[in-house]
Amino acid sequence: EAGVAQSPRYKIIEKRQSVAFWCNPISGHATLYWYQQILGQGPKLLIQFQNNGVVDDSQLPKDRFSAERLKGVDSTLKIQPAKLEDSAVYLCASSLAPGGYGYTFGSGTRLTVV
Amino acid sequence: DAKTTQPPSMDCAEGRAANLPCNHSTISGNEYVYWYRQIHSQGPQYIIHGLKNNETNEMASLIITEDRKSSTLILPHATLRDTAVYYCIVRMGGNQFYFGTGTSLTVIP
Repeated sequence: EAGVAQSPRYKIIEKRQSVAFWCNPISGHATLYWYQQILGQGPKLLIQFQNNGVVDDSQLPKDRFSAERLKGVDSTLKIQPAKLEDSAVYLCASSLAPGGYGYTFGSGTRLTVV
Repeated sequence: DAKTTQPPSMDCAEGRAANLPCNHSTISGNEYVYWYRQIHSQGPQYIIHGLKNNETNEMASLIITEDRKSSTLILPHATLRDTAVYYCIVRMGGNQFYFGTGTSLTVIP
């Protein structure tokens, strides 16, 4: 079974620039999550989708972060404009149902804002 | 917020059992204990979970105390590839995972 795919693997941008990350979940997984992991900390949930609808985005900084999951499959997470404190690994995860079996993480995108 | 307490780091000799403790004194009756690990530059990987009873799978064993206020993850024969950060998480089914800072396990040759 193919895992959760994410791209790019690494990204370096200057502050105030924009950046987008892409995630392709495991086939058939209805629920998709984006996490932010700052160096030395555990992952923190940013947003959860159920199919193409948002279930929880309470921890997403909506002034600069946005995410979409058109057609209920792939998802993109965007930051515009980026700040230095956005430097982190952005992890995507998916599961069959909310918090259910098969909860699997991708390898993440490491963002460095300079 | 994470509801668990773990030591920040531990060492273990290769081939020996690694016992990783976790305190979750405020766990409620319908919350499960999950363990994930994160090897450098990878996403977290599921290891095991349990509610009340001890659990074992091909990766590890989970021992939960009778009062459910603490648990121990046991890697029976640690290898160098088990070097990782190990997260203990308490969670109700369907709810999100709250990760703490975990325990950084170093397996020493």
